[in-house]
Amino acid sequence: DIQMTQSPSSLSASVGDRVTITCRASQRISSYLNWYQQKPGKAPKVLVYAASSLQGGVPSRFSGSGSGTDFTLTISSLQPEDFATYYCQQSYSTALTFGGGTKVEIK
Amino acid sequence: QVQLVQSGAEVKKPGASVKVSCKASGYTFTTYYMHWVRQAPGQGLEWMGIINPSGGSPSYAQKFQGRVTMTRDTSTSTVYMELSSLRSEDTAVYYCARPYISSLYRVFGYWGQGTLVTVSS
Repeated sequence: DIQMTQSPSSLSASVGDRVTITCRASQRISSYLNWYQQKPGKAPKVLVYAASSLQGGVPSRFSGSGSGTDFTLTISSLQPEDFATYYCQQSYSTALTFGGGTKVEIK
Repeated sequence: QVQLVQSGAEVKKPGASVKVSCKASGYTFTTYYMHWVRQAPGQGLEWMGIINPSGGSPSYAQKFQGRVTMTRDTSTSTVYMELSSLRSEDTAVYYCARPYISSLYRVFGYWGQGTLVTVSS
């Protein structure tokens, strides 16, 4: 299976900060990389698919980039509602896998 | 609107089986694949497998091969996930999830509300 490694596993940031989360795949996955946001007690919500395509309704402060093995999710100006856990997920292989998650907390 | 409504919480003993249902509404059931994803308490997301509601064999994550069975009932627009030989490590919230669009069938768009399965003696 393709291993997905996210970093950092957690971070503390303030409202208005620019936040970057990285995700590395154990092999090349082209642009088959998706990002999800999950809040406590809720199901995940897709933010970005195909590495850089913003899902409809997702604020434009979220953006994704990368291809091959290295990917990033950027929040340009962190808002109070963005404090959550973020997961990457590869959709390249038939065995789908997630990163371990990045928890974004309030500084 | 698309809705995925899952069955209620379960408590099972080690060695037992559990069957979780996911009833779909608001769209043509056979048009979209359905996935199952689980999340142990305080842990990350883990994909379990995928089923095509229009037919064909499901595909399971290797970790669950031999223990998981995914089925569907087109008459009630419901998919099922049965996990057998339960152990404490199977304690988790189990989600069904559907793609937003059929061409991106490996991207999880709509999710059920989750079903907590607790395995305890």
